Amino acid sequence: DTGVSQNPRHKITKRGQNVTFRCDPISEHNRLYWYRQTLGQGPEFLTYFQNEAQLEKSRLLSDRFSAERPKGSFSTLEIQRTEQGDSAMYLCASSPDSKRFEQFFGPGTRLTVL
Amino acid sequence: AQTVTQSQPEMSVQEAETVTLSCTYDTSESDYYLFWYKQPPSRQMILVIRQEAYKQQNATENRFSVNFQKAAKSFSLKISDSQLGDAAMYFCAFLGGSNYKLTFGKGTLLTVNP
Repeated sequence: DTGVSQNPRHKITKRGQNVTFRCDPISEHNRLYWYRQTLGQGPEFLTYFQNEAQLEKSRLLSDRFSAERPKGSFSTLEIQRTEQGDSAMYLCASSPDSKRFEQFFGPGTRLTVL
Repeated sequence: AQTVTQSQPEMSVQEAETVTLSCTYDTSESDYYLFWYKQPPSRQMILVIRQEAYKQQNATENRFSVNFQKAAKSFSLKISDSQLGDAAMYFCAFLGGSNYKLTFGKGTLLTVNP
């Protein structure tokens, strides 16, 4: 297994457009997390899945954001009507049930909203 | 809510020397984990070292060691024999014992001078 993968790695879009990111966790990991990292800051928690169930959403995740994890495998994060303030690195991480404290991060998707 | 503070935005060290990065945190929990993550430029975040709060012994991973002072809520990272490849942004992170979301500090940018 090659670790957590994220696609695309970079996305440039115009304000008002919708974008979707994909995360493929390590295959045996039941837990999946999304974080957002803005320039000069540490990552901030967005949402968490255990298998296909979305168990928590941060208040940072406005109504324009939606995340899914169908069948408990890959996950998608969609942003509708993007705003310039959405420009950030979106990080995905996964961990196994047996070692939930070991979160393995993907390379991230860098979003630029023009 | 937990907070993590890294008071050093930037640090520099000469190759082969030792450097210590500082981190303090605030929590009311008694069971938790602390981490140092490394994020090289344009590369993904990787775990450097982990400390369980119930363990009195400081964690060590090769050239990386921590000084965990539970009463003072301090968790510093010492890098010995610094190498050029150690240059990166370093994040201190907290995970509550019953929680699943990491809380990160703002990071310390480490430069290693040849």
